[in-house]
Amino acid sequence: AQKITQTQPGMFVQEKEAVTLDCTYDTSDQSYGLFWYKQPSSGEMIFLIYQGSYDEQNATEGRYSLNFQKARKSANLVISASQLGDSAMYFCAMREGGYGNKLVFGAGTILRVKS
Amino acid sequence: DVKVTQSSRYLVKRTGEKVFLECVQDMDHENMFWYRQDPGLGLRLIYFSYDVKMKEKGDIPEGYSVSREKKERFSLILESASTNQTSMYLCASSLVRVLDQPQHFGDGTRLSIL
Repeated sequence: AQKITQTQPGMFVQEKEAVTLDCTYDTSDQSYGLFWYKQPSSGEMIFLIYQGSYDEQNATEGRYSLNFQKARKSANLVISASQLGDSAMYFCAMREGGYGNKLVFGAGTILRVKS
Repeated sequence: DVKVTQSSRYLVKRTGEKVFLECVQDMDHENMFWYRQDPGLGLRLIYFSYDVKMKEKGDIPEGYSVSREKKERFSLILESASTNQTSMYLCASSLVRVLDQPQHFGDGTRLSIL
């Protein structure tokens, strides 16, 4: 069975500072993918960043980067220069092996950016 | 841009009613998914479909069924709604063979069963 663990139910960060949201995963698959999504209070799920298990470089997308440590089975999201609009729920998810591209989600972390 | 449209943002139904949640995507995606989201539990997969008329159970299929008669449309059915099915329901779609592409989500339906 595959599992995603997000140990931080809630986080605060000061505007313009960087913040790291933790994600650890458990899988016996060699090929897998890790996704981060943002969910504002309005409810829509916004895809942020993807890391494949065979990718040697950490993924980056603008202010988002993924700190991928394969041996530790962690895929932490780093948001640099936090903005008030970053306040949202953040989900880490893992693509399961096999047909269908199913995702397994963590419980999420609520991030609040303070001005 | 991929557009996944869910028929209702908010829905209130009564216990025992048969409830239909509709989802339509416009990008010719093979895969479609239904999740429910509850505080502290993240998103949990109810059912998914990788082709027309094909369906697979997810982690929590009990009390739900689905229908996929056309590629663009995936319906979630609560056969006899119960109060423990009050939740946020999210539909998503994705390509079947492109593993690094994300699932694209609709805006969600907040369903209350009274």
